[in-house]
Amino acid sequence: GAGVSQSPSNKVTEKGKDVELRCDPISGHTALYWYRQSLGQGLEFLIYFQGNSAPDKSGLPSDRFSAERTGGSVSTLTIQRTQQEDSAVYLCASSPSRGYEPQHFGDGTRLSIL
Amino acid sequence: KQEVTQIPAALSVPEGENLVLNCSFTDSAIYNLQWFRQDPGKGLTSLLLIQSSQREQTSGRLNASLDKSSGRSTLYIAASQPGDSATYLCAVDSNYQLIWGAGTKLIIKP
Repeated sequence: GAGVSQSPSNKVTEKGKDVELRCDPISGHTALYWYRQSLGQGLEFLIYFQGNSAPDKSGLPSDRFSAERTGGSVSTLTIQRTQQEDSAVYLCASSPSRGYEPQHFGDGTRLSIL
Repeated sequence: KQEVTQIPAALSVPEGENLVLNCSFTDSAIYNLQWFRQDPGKGLTSLLLIQSSQREQTSGRLNASLDKSSGRSTLYIAASQPGDSATYLCAVDSNYQLIWGAGTKLIIKP
C-alpha cells in the first residue's frame, strides 16, 4: 500500500493479557516511530527505530513494553500483562530519514483494556 | 526538558476568515518543527515541516513561521473553509523524539 498500515485497527482485551501491535511502514522508509495518544494525556513518544536499531527507548513507559523491527520494515510493539492505563490509541509513523522529511502516520490501533 | 504549548485550545470562526494558531516551545535546540492536522478517529496528516535553519514554509493556503530564538511558531490559514475543521497539532523534533503540543481544535462555521 501507499501509506503506513497498522493492525489491528481495534483491540479489546482483558487486563493481564499480552497484546501485539503491528506497523507496516512506507516502503523504503528507514525511520520508524511509535507514539501513544491517551485521553487527557495528548501524544507521547514511545520509541524510534533507524533501520532495525532503536537508538532511543526512553519513551517506553515500563518494562512491560517492548518493540522490535525486522528487515528494516515491519515493527511490532508488544505490551505484556496489560493494565487499564495502557488503554490508548497507538500510532506508528515512518519517514525516509530522521529529521529532514515529515513523518507519515498510520490510522492507529485503538487498544481498550477491560 | 522540552515543553510545547499551543494557544488557543479551541477556536471557532466563520468561513472565509484568516486565522493564526500559535505554538511555543521552551528549548530552542530543535531539529525541526512540524504542524499536523488530526480529524476525529483518524491518524495524523503532516501539513508543514520547518527545518531549524528555516524561517517559514508555505503550502497552498497554509503558511508556518518559525522563530527559534523566541521559541515560537505560528500557523496561518488563509480564507478558511469548513473542511479545515480539525485539531491542529504542533510538534518539535528534539533528540529523536517529537514533543507534542496539546493541539488547537478548530471549527469553521459555514
